[in-house]
Amino acid sequence: EVQLLESGGGLVQPGGSLRLSCAASGFTFSSYAMSWVRQAPGKGLEWVSAISGSGGSTYYADSVKGRFTISRDNSKNTLYLQMNSLRAEDTAVYYCAKDISYYDILTGYFTWYFQHWGQGTLVTVSS
Amino acid sequence: QSVLTQPPSVSAAPGQKVTISCSGSSSNIGNNYVSWYQQLPGTAPKLLIYDNNKRPSGIPDRFSGSKSGTSATLGITGLQTGDEADYYCGTWDSSLSAHWVFGGGTKLTVL
Repeated sequence: EVQLLESGGGLVQPGGSLRLSCAASGFTFSSYAMSWVRQAPGKGLEWVSAISGSGGSTYYADSVKGRFTISRDNSKNTLYLQMNSLRAEDTAVYYCAKDISYYDILTGYFTWYFQHWGQGTLVTVSS
Repeated sequence: QSVLTQPPSVSAAPGQKVTISCSGSSSNIGNNYVSWYQQLPGTAPKLLIYDNNKRPSGIPDRFSGSKSGTSATLGITGLQTGDEADYYCGTWDSSLSAHWVFGGGTKLTVL
């Protein structure tokens, strides 16, 4: 059974930093891309960042580019999100997700979806 | 303002059918597969549909997906009170700043 367990959330002041972790189990962690998705209170889902299985490729939403860094330690089956220069608008529940992504040669389409989700960790940026 | 456009809310009676639309462009829906997610109140999102119309194991066939051009649709038949949730569409956007995009979400109310 796939399990994703986020941790590291909490209250931080504007301009501060926080590192989120996501411990994965139940699958071969290094074989899958992983993502962070967040949800501000009462709002919709917002994709934040993604990383390939090897860690060699990373992607960021424009809203966090240059402030957040995604990484992974495949020896520890753990995904990370280092968040710096935090702003009030970064307040949200942060979910980690196990991705499925591939290029369909037959159709020429690219697929990327979030197959499994963690329960989320709340980050509150406030003074 | 989300890149993918969904109606904010839809409603229907138990046992009825409802559809939720998701409109995008050629850089996202038009040239990539669409997935749908169900978020029950107070819980994490769950994958409902992937690759436009495929259901993960455990998802009942009351849920269906389709895509035409730059729009996608989620259909739910035989509505149950337990289907009350927020539903999100999403896909990869192949524009200059390649990234994943969600719709704004649709709240389904089963009257």
